Amino acid sequence: AQSVTQLGSHVSVSEGALVLLRCNYSSSVPPYLFWYVQYPNQGLQLLLKYTTGATLVKGINGFEAEFKKSETSFHLTKPSAHMSDAAEYFCAVSDTTGNQFYFGTGTSLTVIP
Amino acid sequence: DADVTQTPRNRITKTGKRIMLECSQTKGHDRMYWYRQDPGLGLRLIYYSFDVKDINKGEISDGYSVSRQAQAKFSLSLESAIPNQTALYFCATSGGTGVHEQYFGPGTRLTVT
Repeated sequence: AQSVTQLGSHVSVSEGALVLLRCNYSSSVPPYLFWYVQYPNQGLQLLLKYTTGATLVKGINGFEAEFKKSETSFHLTKPSAHMSDAAEYFCAVSDTTGNQFYFGTGTSLTVIP
Repeated sequence: DADVTQTPRNRITKTGKRIMLECSQTKGHDRMYWYRQDPGLGLRLIYYSFDVKDINKGEISDGYSVSRQAQAKFSLSLESAIPNQTALYFCATSGGTGVHEQYFGPGTRLTVT
């Protein structure tokens, strides 16, 4: 079975600072990787995804993530945090069938003014 | 209008009661999923369905049942609710063959007293 580990259940950054949210996965086959964001009282929405091709993936709201197979990582970054980025972020992995998705436990991002 | 809707949005029920959570989607997707979200545990898969005649158990199906009434409708039932089923429940859809991202409903907050 696949699994996803998100290091740091809570991350705080100052407004304008770099955002780095970490995600590592375990998979015996090349995975498909996703980052979702959940704003308060809402469902999850897709930030970005990696399936094949370029390992640096750009998403919405200025976020990007890089797939590093050698490190089994898919960390999410944003150069400059904005107050509106405060939310819960989930990393997820799927195998190539897309039949099931496995989610990390989430990272709550706080942006300090 | 939202692509994935869930009813009710909030529900308080008593131990032993039967309760049904409903999900409808207008995206035309074949795949539908039910997850529960608990603080610190992320999202865990309860059941998933790839078409009306295909229902599969997820990681935590005990105490739950589902019904896929149509391509667009997927209901989750708790036959006899217990307090540790208090959680936030999400329905999601995914379309096409291969791997596609999931689209989530707004969630149902269920409290079992």
